[in-house]
Amino acid sequence: ETGVTQSPTHLIKTRGQQVTLRCSSQSGHNTVSWYQQALGQGPQFIFQYYREEENGRGNFPPRFSGLQFPNYSSELNVNALELDDSALYLCASSDSRQGPGRTQYFGPGTRLTVL
Amino acid sequence: AQSVTQPDIHITVSEGASLELRCNYSYGATPYLFWYVQSPGQGLQLLLKYFSGDTLVQGIKGFEAEFKRSQSSFNLRKPSVHWSDAAEYFCAVGAQGTGNQFYFGTGTSLTVIP
Repeated sequence: ETGVTQSPTHLIKTRGQQVTLRCSSQSGHNTVSWYQQALGQGPQFIFQYYREEENGRGNFPPRFSGLQFPNYSSELNVNALELDDSALYLCASSDSRQGPGRTQYFGPGTRLTVL
Repeated sequence: AQSVTQPDIHITVSEGASLELRCNYSYGATPYLFWYVQSPGQGLQLLLKYFSGDTLVQGIKGFEAEFKRSQSSFNLRKPSVHWSDAAEYFCAVGAQGTGNQFYFGTGTSLTVIP
């Protein structure tokens, strides 16, 4: 069973640029969630994708957007990067067939630094 | 609104000593509760979870947690800590409904002294 994978591992961008982060869900999982973890903080929910559509969103501006593909992999796109976007971005996958409160399995994260 | 509080930012224990990490939650319905562990530079690994039923749940690596509805708590315990347990521990509540998002606490950093 393949776990959740994310790429790239690290990324350095400058303010105003755009970035795309990628996630491959665990085998058999059809739902992907994205979280932002700032230094010294707990993860904050950005949004979730199910059946290639956004299915819930946290308190993040529209410049944070995403995609889910037919193979359930996902992308997180951030436009007009700001210094405060520097964080660890975590992807988590789950199986919607397990119902509410299902476990989310996390990838190793992408460390984004905005200069 | 849903929220999770982990009152202890940092805890130091001696190897072999017992451990209890505190977690309090605020949620309007029956919560789904989770404990995750994060080692430096790593993602989150699930230790255990509570859905319903027995309020004392067992997890991996010898951890257990007890759900106390009256105290809105879900404290994590381990009878004897190993040096490899040094890490960041996060408590989370899983929201029902659209998005099934998790609300995380700010974490407790555990240092283990030899």
